[in-house]
Amino acid sequence: DTAVSQTPKYLVTQMGNDKSIKCEQNLGHDTMYWYKQDSKKFLKIMFSYNNKELIINETVPNRFSPKSPDKAHLNLHINSLELGDSAVYFCASSHGGLSTLHFGNGTRLTVT
Amino acid sequence: SQQGEEDPQALSIQEGENATMNCSYKTSINNLQWYRQNSGRGLVHLILIRSNEREKHSGRLRVTLDTSKKSSSLLITASRAADTASYFCATHDNNAGNMLTFGGGTRLMVKP
Repeated sequence: DTAVSQTPKYLVTQMGNDKSIKCEQNLGHDTMYWYKQDSKKFLKIMFSYNNKELIINETVPNRFSPKSPDKAHLNLHINSLELGDSAVYFCASSHGGLSTLHFGNGTRLTVT
Repeated sequence: SQQGEEDPQALSIQEGENATMNCSYKTSINNLQWYRQNSGRGLVHLILIRSNEREKHSGRLRVTLDTSKKSSSLLITASRAADTASYFCATHDNNAGNMLTFGGGTRLMVKP
């Protein structure tokens, strides 16, 4: 029933490791996103992706990369994790580029 | 810098009172949206208002948009304890493709 689902919900790992967060949407949307929410609740767009175009926020380190095996999935890979990567990461999807977003419930990443 | 900035950052009211949250932004926009986030959950869309609209209503919610002042407000009337959450405004910038940019949010507490 879940529209946008992310796994895992919690991820605890050590500095230097590589990890992935998975996202799936069953809404038939054509555009998916990754957002990072810091400890002060500020949300930053990281990536916007549809089957034609990947838009990357230029402030996102290239250790972060989105991978989309198909229209319903957009996974987030993070290499060489750093302490500052600790945050809650949200996946979202939308129908078209200027419409409303449907969010997953987030993945809390803790880097120790 | 943030596109949308909410004011106040935190608001505490009694049940039954009205809550007003304000949002300011810096650029030309296609639309502005308000979202709600309960603790530990993803964001949920509330209202979208287009740049050529001045006011929209949805149940107990009223949103206004003043493009000349680059500001919007969200009014929640007759608040309930269940309205306790963080509220975010977000803008589709005309020059940012399909990226939706969020502000830092207003944390609303409604005391029973």
